[in-house]
Amino acid sequence: DTGVSQNPRHKITKRGQNVTFRCDPISEHNRLYWYRQTLGQGPEFLTYFQNEAQLEKSRLLSDRFSAERPKGSFSTLEIQRTEQGDSAMYLCASSLGGGIQPQHFGDGTRLSIL
Amino acid sequence: AQTVTQSQPEMSVQEAETVTLSCTYDTSESDYYLFWYKQPPSRQMILVIRQEAYKQQNATENRFSVNFQKAAKSFSLKISDSQLGDAAMYFCAFRFNNDMRFGAGTRLTVKP
Repeated sequence: DTGVSQNPRHKITKRGQNVTFRCDPISEHNRLYWYRQTLGQGPEFLTYFQNEAQLEKSRLLSDRFSAERPKGSFSTLEIQRTEQGDSAMYLCASSLGGGIQPQHFGDGTRLSIL
Repeated sequence: AQTVTQSQPEMSVQEAETVTLSCTYDTSESDYYLFWYKQPPSRQMILVIRQEAYKQQNATENRFSVNFQKAAKSFSLKISDSQLGDAAMYFCAFRFNNDMRFGAGTRLTVKP
């Protein structure tokens, strides 16, 4: 169990640029989640995959956000035309099933918009 | 909509003492799951303890235990024999189907 891996750890970009984050879940986990966390707040759900299928998207996930999980392995989260309000920590988590199964979190990618 | 409230933004405890962190939630569902996660400074979030709503018995994991009051929609976390390594942000989380909601967190400081 190598844990959930996220890259990059930090991303600084200018407003209006596109950014892409990567998440590698624990290998046997079929579920993958993306969250956004701002300072002083708990994580907010963005989207969820079961294998390669994106099954749920939050209203927080505007049209500028897109997520993929090709072949049910790693996942990418892309933000187009970044805005100041996108500055946050983006967390990825994976789990083996739902219900009581815990989600295992990565270290997150901290996005700063200049 | 499900909401999770942690009314204590900050708590402090003396090393070796006991502290209780509060969490309440709002839901109309009867079958759901509750979690406490710990997030140390600049480190990843890790699971502390979990509870199925249909189980009346309170979950326990070593020094960590919960007081689950379903009717009151309360899910507090008790940390016994507090250690310096317990210092972190603690998040209460509610899960129904694939919807996971987190509280705003409680920052726990442990004094030596």
